[in-house]
Amino acid sequence: QKEVEQNSGPLSVPEGAIASLNCTYSDRVSQSFFWYRQYSGKSPELIMSIYSNGDKEDGRFTAQLNKASQYVSLLIRDSQPSDSATYLCAVNKGSNYQLIWGAGTKLIIKP
Amino acid sequence: DADVTQTPRNRITKTGKRIMLECSQTKGHDRMYWYRQDPGLGLRLIYYSFDVKDINKGEISDGYSVSRQAQAKFSLSLESAIPNQTALYFCATSTSNQPQHFGDGTRLSIL
Repeated sequence: QKEVEQNSGPLSVPEGAIASLNCTYSDRVSQSFFWYRQYSGKSPELIMSIYSNGDKEDGRFTAQLNKASQYVSLLIRDSQPSDSATYLCAVNKGSNYQLIWGAGTKLIIKP
Repeated sequence: DADVTQTPRNRITKTGKRIMLECSQTKGHDRMYWYRQDPGLGLRLIYYSFDVKDINKGEISDGYSVSRQAQAKFSLSLESAIPNQTALYFCATSTSNQPQHFGDGTRLSIL
């Protein structure tokens, strides 16, 4: 079992709909959780971080964390074609900020 | 100017050659990381450094070495390149309590 798992996709969502991306992790001591967006051939870009259970909203993005069930999700409202990218989930297990990465989910927003 | 600068951006070389990839940052972060990314495998950590005198192996350090010349500079070397080291390489930086920020990457091809 991988430490951080994501469905590789591709996940296809119509423009204007809500895109829902999920990530599960295996280590219960994980403390910090991050979503990065990566366009093809480009570097990962941090879009959301979440540290406590519940929802965190930033514009069209909402991160949701459930430590009891060991999953973290990213919702993208009013999806736009420019949201088409691979979304990477990263988890930090301790205070040293060494991240464990999922393989990413490819998201395609269809006009 | 980019906060995290990687050079070169692209490199094609032959098996057996020694290669150095360089990373410099103006963010003032104390922590620096080298990753490689292969299709479908996500980001894998090669080496990381929490300060100039601290160097640590990541999950795939074999065949690689690093040098932290200054707080702002972290170089990755391939002593004798082999074709399966063909990949996209990223440098990242962070502080002790902030997520990682990435350079634009180096696309390395070994023939």
